[in-house]
Amino acid sequence: GAVVSQHPSWVICKSGTSVKIECRSLDFQATTMFWYRQFPKQSLMLMATSNEGSKATYEQGVEKDKFLINHASLTLSTLTVTSAHPEDSSFYICSARDPAGSGGARETQYFGPGTRLLVL
Amino acid sequence: GEDVEQSLFLSVREGDSSVINCTYTDSSSTYLYWYKQEPGAGLQLLTYIFSNMDMKQDQRLTVLLNKKDKHLSLRIADTQTGDSAIYFCAPTEGNTPLVFGKGTRLSVIA
Repeated sequence: GAVVSQHPSWVICKSGTSVKIECRSLDFQATTMFWYRQFPKQSLMLMATSNEGSKATYEQGVEKDKFLINHASLTLSTLTVTSAHPEDSSFYICSARDPAGSGGARETQYFGPGTRLLVL
Repeated sequence: GEDVEQSLFLSVREGDSSVINCTYTDSSSTYLYWYKQEPGAGLQLLTYIFSNMDMKQDQRLTVLLNKKDKHLSLRIADTQTGDSAIYFCAPTEGNTPLVFGKGTRLSVIA
């Protein structure tokens, strides 16, 4: 099936710093990627939809100036958590939609392994 | 919008079958996915079913879809300890973001 990678897999940073997380589709081109956030023992919460070459669409309640998303190519989307604070500590997961369905059904979303962020 | 409900916990003995149930609200869902999440990991696509199907079998996995009742189930035959994880169902129209319920935590007892 299609593979999505994330980097880094975990990061610890000081409060006030910015952290960039990369999401790559390795063997397919993804015009659309998604960013989710997951708190311990909870479901995934969609943060934003990232479209290649255009501005991301943020879900209600997600600060776009806080969580900057860039989708500069068909295989890479980045999420930057700006001026991170302890309450931003979470597990961030990206997914990429495979429009061609090379790994299964068309429009299937494939998920990255996640990035665990800890802000001290 | 879509609302997805799953039972939170399921415990089975190794070798038995597991059945994880899911109900959803959006009747226009065309693809219905099952994902597996192991501790500290992302989501792994397990299987999917199209809305025009009633059943799909894929090795130990059987997906049943009752479109009238908006009910989806995942049966895992001969459940193994490696199947212990959280399972999410995710119905979608295909070009919309996936909506997840809280997931079902499957515990397999050796």
